[in-house]
Amino acid sequence: LAKTTQPISMDSYEGQEVNITCSHNNIATNDYITWYQQFPSQGPRFIIQGYKTKVTNEVASLFIPADRKSSTLSLPRVSLSDTAVYYCLVGDRGGQAGTALIFGKGTTLSVSS
Amino acid sequence: DARVTQTPRHKVTEMGQEVTMRCQPILGHNTVFWYRQTMMQGLELLAYFRNRAPLDDSGMPKDRFSAEMPDATLATLKIQPSEPRDSAVYFCASGLPGLAGPNEQFFGPGTRLTVL
Repeated sequence: LAKTTQPISMDSYEGQEVNITCSHNNIATNDYITWYQQFPSQGPRFIIQGYKTKVTNEVASLFIPADRKSSTLSLPRVSLSDTAVYYCLVGDRGGQAGTALIFGKGTTLSVSS
Repeated sequence: DARVTQTPRHKVTEMGQEVTMRCQPILGHNTVFWYRQTMMQGLELLAYFRNRAPLDDSGMPKDRFSAEMPDATLATLKIQPSEPRDSAVYFCASGLPGLAGPNEQFFGPGTRLTVL
């Protein structure tokens, strides 16, 4: 499983766009990049997943360059409720081997008014 | 709104006692995970099952921890005997890998365990 590196913490203000970059230099061909969000006293929640280029959903966008050695989670116009820990994970589609995801320390995003 | 449920939500026990945590995965999900979260170690994968069969439990201390799936609607994690270092939040998650969201796992609310 590829190791990921992301900033320990980030600060932002309401209304700003936040970009959290994750490095995964040893990503394998079959690996997908997945981001989770965790609020205090709750379990992690899936945000977005992608393999290459760009993926967008109602919550966030995920940008993946051609070499796939990094990815950027983009949160548009954050609010106080986006204060959480964000985890970047890399893993394969599972198949017969299962989908064992390894969570790192994550990035603690603090949004202020 | 399908959710993973876990019981109990909180458990305080004394060292040496047996602790059993239960998880009901989302109906139809065939993969169940157990994680443990502490401030020091973060989220650690303890074990996971596919179609009720254990696939990997290498993250679990074998001498005191055991995980089972008696049926498709119930997963259990047992600690016997419990120790203070087992104090953590234990999360269960379920998923259905290989489809549109191969790495999408749905987490339960967790069981906060305190061993005195």
